[in-house]
Amino acid sequence: GAGVSQSPSNKVTEKGKDVELRCDPISGHTALYWYRQSLGQGLEFLIYFQGNSAPDKSGLPSDRFSAERTGGSVSTLTIQRTQQEDSAVYLCASSAPGQGVYEQYFGPGTRLTVT
Amino acid sequence: AQSVTQLGSHVSVSEGALVLLRCNYSSSVPPYLFWYVQYPNQGLQLLLKYTSAATLVKGINGFEAEFKKSETSFHLTKPSAHMSDAAEYFCAVSDLDTGFQKLVFGTGTRLLVSP
Repeated sequence: GAGVSQSPSNKVTEKGKDVELRCDPISGHTALYWYRQSLGQGLEFLIYFQGNSAPDKSGLPSDRFSAERTGGSVSTLTIQRTQQEDSAVYLCASSAPGQGVYEQYFGPGTRLTVT
Repeated sequence: AQSVTQLGSHVSVSEGALVLLRCNYSSSVPPYLFWYVQYPNQGLQLLLKYTSAATLVKGINGFEAEFKKSETSFHLTKPSAHMSDAAEYFCAVSDLDTGFQKLVFGTGTRLLVSP
């Protein structure tokens, strides 16, 4: 079956511009996660959506970062006024709590480069 | 809060040799533990998981890991390395303190396999 997909695969943007990163989770997965992978920080949790509950945004590094999930499916991570330190690979994952015991399935990531 | 420590940012082995990647965890409650593999320019793929059932867990591609509570360890092994095993490996623990399945990752170990 189809896995988690992310778009674009690569994004180059100028400092100060806004970017949107998209994630399509596995169909039927109610939980969706965003992580950031960067050289200096490793893999960091950003935000978590579970069904219709309020998302847990505790990992977002600043108020320039936001995310939404429409219709319990597709999610968009938005970074406003991008900075060079935002350059990283942004990974999305989904899971179906209650099945597979918290196993998360990851997409291929979006590589963001801020120039 | 849960955490994991991976000893050795790089591990080099010869093809056919034993692979041993180390992971120690810190958790106030019985943890769920995972090993993920990341090939170049790809997302993370689950190798295996420990969910409080059998302490010896077998995964894909001939990998296995043993949960040792007394040593707070979950080391990953493979009897005979293949060139295709060259990748980065991440140990992760589920952060159950906050009531959901956020993964807390180690810093990763890059496995190099020489002919």
